[in-house]
This record gives sequence, C-alpha cells and structure tokens, in this order.
Amino acid sequence: EDKVVQSPLSLVVHEGDTVTLNCSYEVTNFRSLLWYKQEKKAPTFLFMLTSSGIEKKSGRLSSILDKKELFSILNITATQTGDSAIYLCAHNRGTSYGKLTFGQGTILTVHP
Amino acid sequence: DSGVTQTPKHLITATGQRVTLRCSPRSGDLSVYWYQQSLDQGLQFLIQYYNGEERAKGNILERFSAQQFPDLHSELNLSSLELGDSALYFCASSVGGSRETQYFGPGTRLLVL
Repeated sequence: EDKVVQSPLSLVVHEGDTVTLNCSYEVTNFRSLLWYKQEKKAPTFLFMLTSSGIEKKSGRLSSILDKKELFSILNITATQTGDSAIYLCAHNRGTSYGKLTFGQGTILTVHP
Repeated sequence: DSGVTQTPKHLITATGQRVTLRCSPRSGDLSVYWYQQSLDQGLQFLIQYYNGEERAKGNILERFSAQQFPDLHSELNLSSLELGDSALYFCASSVGGSRETQYFGPGTRLLVL
C-alpha cells in the first residue's frame, strides 16, 4: 500500500523566517505528488510535481521533487501569518483512477 | 473558492441515524471523489465516480454508499451512524478520472452524538 510521510508534524516560526516542509513517499507506481494548503476547511491546491528536479514556483512558495530519493520539499520564504495552515502532501497513483494518498500533514504556525 | 460546492456545511445527528451529503463538482469536471478527514486518521480516500460510474473504492465502510447522477452531482449516504463517523467529509472533483488535479469543496462537518 502507498505510504506518504511528512515531517515535521508541527512547526512554529516568526514572520520573515523561511521554512522547509518535507514529504517522503513509498509507492508502487509513482505518478505525481501534490501539495495542498488547508486553512479552516478545504484543502487548496498548491503544486503538482511529476518530474524530478524541476522546481515549481508560485510567489514565495516553491516545491521540488526528487524521484531517486523519493521525497519532495515545499519551501516558503519570508513567511507571513497568513501562511499558518496545515500543509498536506499527497501521491496520486493515477493509473485508471485518481485516488490520493495523503500524508498526515505539517501544521505551520507563523507568529507576528 | 474551488468551484466545488457541498451541502450541508454542518450536520449534527444521533447514533443509528442516516444522513446524505451532497456535492456539485466544478463545471466541466467528470470525476467526483469523497474523502473523510478525522483527527486520528487524517485525510482518507473513500470512493471515486467518473461520469456516473464507480471508478475506485478506498476505505469506505459497508454502511456508506455513494452515487453520481446524470447531472454529475454526487451524494454520499451514511447509515447506522456511529460516534466514530464524526469527521469532516470532503468532496473533490477533477476533469478526468486519474491524473488531473483534484479540487476540494469546503466540506461537511458531521457530528454524531
């Protein structure tokens, strides 16, 4: 069965700090890795990664995948209080169906 | 706002009861997915429908069932409810049935007393 593990489970930083969130996976057939941000309710899509070594970037957030070492990282630079959320990593096996296997999430708290 | 809508937002009911959760996917999306999020289990995949047909099943209990209608909205039926069924239930949708990004609805918070 596919397994996705995130670390750390919780992180508390001050505004302006840079954070790195980790996601490692053990899956049978890798297709894509996704990052979501969950604030009060619905997970919001951030990135989908399919190719190793190619960085995806959106403003202060960026993510990269290492298919050889089976992990991905999500970087947030110059953190703001609005970045406080649960960050979820998920694998999509995506063969004939689209089941997402999620990690347990990293709770990020950014203090002013 | 992802474009996926779910009703109701909150639901409080008693053990043994039956409830129906409703989901409307984004315009143009053919796939609907249901997930359950609880404190101890995290986000768990329940079931997927693609264009009206069941595509994949995950950790869905036999007391739970779902369907997708011709207009592509979906319903998740939970019966003989137990305290442990209290959770957030999310619906997500995607254009196709496998590799596309899934967009999540706001969820329904179910509390079973």
